[in-house]
Amino acid sequence: DGGITQSPKYLFRKEGQNVTLSCEQNLNHDAMYWYRQDPGQGLRLIYYSQIVNDFQKGDIAEGYSVSREKKESFPLTVTSAQKNPTAFYLCASSPLLAGGGEQFFGPGTRLTVL
Amino acid sequence: AQSVTQPDIHITVSEGASLELRCNYSYGATPYLFWYVQSPGQGLQLLLKYFSGDTLVQGIKGFEAEFKRSQSSFNLRKPSVHWSDAAEYFCAVGGLTGGGNKLTFGTGTQLKVEL
Repeated sequence: DGGITQSPKYLFRKEGQNVTLSCEQNLNHDAMYWYRQDPGQGLRLIYYSQIVNDFQKGDIAEGYSVSREKKESFPLTVTSAQKNPTAFYLCASSPLLAGGGEQFFGPGTRLTVL
Repeated sequence: AQSVTQPDIHITVSEGASLELRCNYSYGATPYLFWYVQSPGQGLQLLLKYFSGDTLVQGIKGFEAEFKRSQSSFNLRKPSVHWSDAAEYFCAVGGLTGGGNKLTFGTGTQLKVEL
């Protein structure tokens, strides 16, 4: 089945540690995205990538980093510089169409800082 | 800048009653509009989308939405709600801008269904 996988589902981190969240898709989509979700705030875009080896900052990129070495993979690193990292993180992908395209979402990773 | 407003944070309806969730958007060009649904602790699932053409669009699970350009609205409707529809609903707007297929999401409407 085609889709997006995120791992782990739950992640616990001590303050001061970097952690990496995995996102893999087998939909052959060019674009991939990372969102952060907090209660009552909807989804906020962290980073996105339209092509391998290229990515752009979203609205809340500070304290996060990404890489796009393969079309299928778009890992997100939450660094120690992120002041309040506890949140639900969603990865998405979409085709790049001339008229825009819907985004397909993974199941999410819940990160808790202890 | 594009934006989405979902004015209702929480809505409670009785099972079998009709439902309308409101969505207003701001976008500088022809918008592409989406409604997604999210169950607790899960990812988002697309209910329906509007790109062009007929302004009344049908989606999955019996949902529909109507695009009204004059009101900058894209309200979601369902004639008869089922208990399994209880979830959070997000409206989103996007299009192929200089930043690719970026979407802007509203803050969501939490739907509770009373049996």
